[in-house]
Amino acid sequence: QKEVEQDPGPLSVPEGAIVSLNCTYSNSAFQYFMWYRQYSRKGPELLMYTYSSGNKEDGRFTAQVDKSSKYISLFIRDSQPSDSATYLCAAHSNSGYALNFGKGTSLLVTP
Amino acid sequence: GAVVSQHPSWVICKSGTSVKIECRSLDFQATTMFWYRQFPKQSLMLMATSNEGSKATYEQGVEKDKFLINHASLTLSTLTVTSAHPEDSSFYICSARPPDGGNTIYFGEGSWLTVV
Repeated sequence: QKEVEQDPGPLSVPEGAIVSLNCTYSNSAFQYFMWYRQYSRKGPELLMYTYSSGNKEDGRFTAQVDKSSKYISLFIRDSQPSDSATYLCAAHSNSGYALNFGKGTSLLVTP
Repeated sequence: GAVVSQHPSWVICKSGTSVKIECRSLDFQATTMFWYRQFPKQSLMLMATSNEGSKATYEQGVEKDKFLINHASLTLSTLTVTSAHPEDSSFYICSARPPDGGNTIYFGEGSWLTVV
């Protein structure tokens, strides 16, 4: 069993919709949680980083972590066609910076 | 701009040959870099942790004699795929963390390897 599970989608939404992306994890030692955006044939780009439980907002993006349920979420408001990409959740513990990635969710925002 | 640079972005090589991929941290020194591999429609899988001045730490199932890692300076780590075979064709990505960057981890643009 992978330590970070993520539904690969694809997820298709109309422009302007609110997008909800989710991951679950199994390792209780994970303390740091990230969301990366990856365009086709490119390296991942860091979108959001959260420590422990809580919410973090940055523009149209909101990241949520619920450690009690081991659930990670990313919300995208007013989605744009340029948001079409694969979104990867990742986590690591205090003991190192090697990331454990989810499989990635493919998002398509249609005009 | 990019804080971690990889080269080459694309490489095609013949089966049985070796290929070297470079990962450079720009504007900061990285004592530790990470190498990942990503097959199509799959997640990034950690291959090894590259430590400056010492041997790399490989993940279970990754052949250290096949994937040679050298971290000879604080800004450069190299991954050499030796005696490459078609099944080694993949997207190889490195990452690095600035020493004063908290938990911010930056990725390179990745290197596409195709073995024919």
